[in-house]
Amino acid sequence: AQSVAQPEDQVNVAEGNPLTVKCTYSVSGNPYLFWYVQYPNRGLQFLLKYITGDNLVKGSYGFEAEFNKSQTSFHLKKPSALVSDSALYFCAVRDGGSSASKIIFGSGTRLSIRP
Amino acid sequence: KAGVTQTPRYLIKTRGQQVTLSCSPISGHRSVSWYQQTPGQGLQFLFEYFSETQRNKGNFPGRFSGRQFSNSRSEMNVSTLELGDSALYLCASSPFPGQQETQYFGPGTRLLVL
Repeated sequence: AQSVAQPEDQVNVAEGNPLTVKCTYSVSGNPYLFWYVQYPNRGLQFLLKYITGDNLVKGSYGFEAEFNKSQTSFHLKKPSALVSDSALYFCAVRDGGSSASKIIFGSGTRLSIRP
Repeated sequence: KAGVTQTPRYLIKTRGQQVTLSCSPISGHRSVSWYQQTPGQGLQFLFEYFSETQRNKGNFPGRFSGRQFSNSRSEMNVSTLELGDSALYLCASSPFPGQQETQYFGPGTRLLVL
């Protein structure tokens, strides 16, 4: 069975500081990992994905995520936070070894950037 | 080009009723997926359709069903509504199935079951 955990319900960061949103996963096959962002009143948007290759994945809006196989983590990072980054972030995983696998989402982390 | 549209945007129903939600994908997109978002359960995958065929289904009871038409538009139906079905139902489209990176989400239909 596959699962994904976002241990922090909320992360608060000052504008200009680096931010990290944590995600750990469990999957029996090859992990396909994703991050999504949900801005207020703007719907859900795909941010980035890891399928294979470089452990550091770059995505939209200056975000990046680091895949760590030994720690089964896929933390979302940004070197310098903006107030406009305030939103709800979801990590998700799918078993890449099965075409019938379903995508599983974490519970979400609300990121709040203070000016 | 126009984004993913979902109708209606808001809906109020009572327990035991049934509801049908509609999703029109981006032009040229042939895959449509549905998700349920609730405060308690978070975001959960419901189904994925491609070329009028259901390719994948999440862990939801049989009361939840869907279909896709030849023009790629999709509907989902929930019968015998329960209070716990109150949620934001999101639809997403992509050119082909399993392509999360090319998936665009609609604004959602907010369903309230009383």
